[in-house]
Amino acid sequence: NAGVTQTPKFQVLKTGQSMTLQCAQDMNHNSMYWYRQDPGMGLRLIYYSASEGTTDKGEVPNGYNVSRLNKREFSLRLESAAPSQTSVYFCASSASAGGAPQETQYFGPGTRLLVL
Amino acid sequence: EDKVVQSPLSLVVHEGDTVTLNCSYEVTNFRSLLWYKQEKKAPTFLFMLTSSGIEKKSGRLSSILDKKELFSILNITATQTGDSAIYLCAVEGAGGSYIPTFGRGTSLIVHP
Repeated sequence: NAGVTQTPKFQVLKTGQSMTLQCAQDMNHNSMYWYRQDPGMGLRLIYYSASEGTTDKGEVPNGYNVSRLNKREFSLRLESAAPSQTSVYFCASSASAGGAPQETQYFGPGTRLLVL
Repeated sequence: EDKVVQSPLSLVVHEGDTVTLNCSYEVTNFRSLLWYKQEKKAPTFLFMLTSSGIEKKSGRLSSILDKKELFSILNITATQTGDSAIYLCAVEGAGGSYIPTFGRGTSLIVHP
């Protein structure tokens, strides 16, 4: 099992460019999440998908969109990148769907994004 | 709004010292509290705590939850350089969903 995988590992964008961060999990988990981590800020939730076919906003959704392509894959899109989106992005998954008892999240290795 | 506060924000110790990391929280309908260790990359799970007063232990690491006073502590005894990491606390509540809210983390540096 690869667990949670993310691509790319590192990306440099110019302001206004767009890109999609890919995430996939092979644990048959229902729930998937996108976080960003900035120095001294912990993990902040951007969007999550409690189950296939559903997505919801988290704490900091502005400037992002997501797609739950299927049960395995959850992508994060930046339509027009801004320097404030320079961060490390983590994808995570967990077994349970919304409302059911939560279990621990499993995290991908992260994508380091620099927006110039 | 759910809130998780970790202290201290950073800590520098020498090998062999014992450290205590704190996590206090305010959350609607508490479900569980989780501790993660983050080295250079992704956070990895340490403990999940749901009941008050029951210590979870794994080697030199242990954690306990106080649901009355709304906090948890993570203890690391006989610290080693490999314990250097950011330790994240997250709390799951039912304020509309069970998505965990993370604290800002405690950065621990252990010097040889």
